Amino acid sequence: DQQVKQNSPSLSVQEGRISILNCDYTNSMFDYFLWYKKYPAEGPTFLISISSIKDKNEDGRFTVFLNKSAKHLSLHIVPSQPGDSAVYFCAASVGGSGNTPLVFGKGTRLSVIA
Amino acid sequence: DTGVSQDPRHKITKRGQNVTFRCDPISEHNRLYWYRQTLGQGPEFLTYFQNEAQLEKSRLLSDRFSAERPKGSFSTLEIQRTEQGDSAMYLCASRLQGSPTPLHFGNGTRLTVT
Repeated sequence: DQQVKQNSPSLSVQEGRISILNCDYTNSMFDYFLWYKKYPAEGPTFLISISSIKDKNEDGRFTVFLNKSAKHLSLHIVPSQPGDSAVYFCAASVGGSGNTPLVFGKGTRLSVIA
Repeated sequence: DTGVSQDPRHKITKRGQNVTFRCDPISEHNRLYWYRQTLGQGPEFLTYFQNEAQLEKSRLLSDRFSAERPKGSFSTLEIQRTEQGDSAMYLCASRLQGSPTPLHFGNGTRLTVT
């Protein structure tokens, strides 16, 4: 029973264009969502988060949108750069600010082509 | 901030042997987590500690697995009688409970059971 789903295993985008990565969740108790980026042979690194009291959070080129009614969130990267090529994981928790262990999706591999 | 440190980075062992991994969290972080990641999957929660107390264990954590954090600082994860299905990346992460900071991951220990 996968509570956090990333249905696109991979995505290719041209440099300078927008990358949109999607994530769906099934547990309505989730109230804190995060995106992590992972390069090969490294641990995941935190990218951006959003609380369920918001529907958008922005940090530089990265914006996360949350649609609670649809149980869906997305990560927008604009403009995409070759260094953004990595695996992106969506994660969620209950209790705000990650108080319960994070539940991760399977990840989406983003390739940004120069 | 020296980051989360894990040792060893790689471990190859024969089926049936015992292995132990170590994790040194960020020094002021009182929560420490162990996750496991297999190919094509996101990190899966195994267990976590607040200071020296083990607060939660996943049903993924069989009796062959044991984790400790004796002084509330570093942690060890031991797998007894390893099986080929234990081959995975074992990730450690830490955070400061009560603050909105996200999980910080180490670079993991890759275990191969032959």
